[in-house]
This record gives sequence, structure tokens and C-alpha cells, in this order.
Amino acid sequence: QKEVEQDPGPLSVPEGAIVSLNCTYSNSAFQYFMWYRQYSRKGPELLMYTYSSGNKEDGRFTAQVDKSSKYISLFIRDSQPSDSATYLCAMRKGGGSYIPTFGRGTSLIVHP
Amino acid sequence: DVKVTQSSRYLVKRTGEKVFLECVQDMDHENMFWYRQDPGLGLRLIYFSYDVKMKEKGDIPEGYSVSREKKERFSLILESASTNQTSMYLCASILSGGSYNEQFFGPGTRLTVL
Repeated sequence: QKEVEQDPGPLSVPEGAIVSLNCTYSNSAFQYFMWYRQYSRKGPELLMYTYSSGNKEDGRFTAQVDKSSKYISLFIRDSQPSDSATYLCAMRKGGGSYIPTFGRGTSLIVHP
Repeated sequence: DVKVTQSSRYLVKRTGEKVFLECVQDMDHENMFWYRQDPGLGLRLIYFSYDVKMKEKGDIPEGYSVSREKKERFSLILESASTNQTSMYLCASILSGGSYNEQFFGPGTRLTVL
């Protein structure tokens, strides 16, 4: 079993839908949780960054962390075709460790 | 505008050739990484470096070596390229210290080994 599990999709939704992307993990030492967005033929770019449990909102995006269930989510409201990309979850331990563990990524397609 | 740049976007090499992939960051980051990304397998860490001349193996170091002679530059070397090294290679860097440290990625090099 991988430390971080993420359904690769693809997930296809109509424009305007609410999208839910999820990851589960097994290592309780993870404290920092991230979501990266990767457009085709580009490098990943950081979308959201949270610490410990709770919610964080940024525009149409909401990141949610439930450490008791070892489950993180990214919600996208009013999805747009420009949101079509691969979304990678990542997480890392605290202290001096800067190496994140990535999920495999979920391919999202938002069709007009 | 912060940047991680990679020397080539696309590269085609022949089996057995020595291949150099270069990465440069202008953010004065201590830590630099090389990943490969393959469909269905996600990002896999090849090597990382936390300081000049320092290197650590990642999850899949076999067939690769690295060099970090200057803080801003991290090179990935394929001593004798093989077809199973055809992949997307991504370089990244991150600052030490602090909490919400973002890992910045380069645009990637798509390497094809024939």
C-alpha cells in the first residue's frame, strides 16, 4: 500500500459543477498538506497549503484536512474549463523534513 | 518572478548515450530535487540535494547520478541512457526553515530514449 492514495480518474464534469478531489494517507506523522495543479506539459504549481486539520478557502477552492480519518479533500466550486488539469495531493512531516510525498494525481476534465 | 528553469523542454537520445539534464533556480534555495513522472506512477523522487556538493538518494536512483557544484544549479546525469528512462523529468527547489515552504517546479524535460 502506498503512503498516499489518490484516484487517477479521469474525472469528467460539466462546467459549473462542484468538484471534489480526495486523497487518503497512512502516515500519521504528516502535518502539512498541499494541493498542486499541473497543466498538460507543464510543471506542477502550488494551489493550496494547509497545516494540520481544518479548512482553508481561496476563491473557488477549499482545502479540507481530516487528520483523524487521514483524509484530505480539495473542492472546486463553479468549475471552469480552465480548471482542466491534473491535481496532485502532497504531504510532508514537520521539523526539518522538506520532502513531500505525492499522490499519483487525479486528471480533471471540465467540459463546456 | 521566481523561477526554476530546465535546460531543455524536449530531448531525444539514443540508447547508451550519456545524458545531462540541467536545472537552475534563482531563489537561493538550499534544497533541490529531481523527479521523474510517468503515467499511472505519479512523481517519483530520483535524487535530492540539501546543500552544495551534498546529495541523497531518493526512491529510484538506479541508473542516475547528480551533481551540485553551485547552490543554484543541480544536474541529473544518465550515464548510459536506456529506453526505460524515457519519461518526463521535473526539477524542483524549496527553501529550508519556516513552515509553509512551497516547492517550486521547473517546466519539465520530456526525454525520449530510442
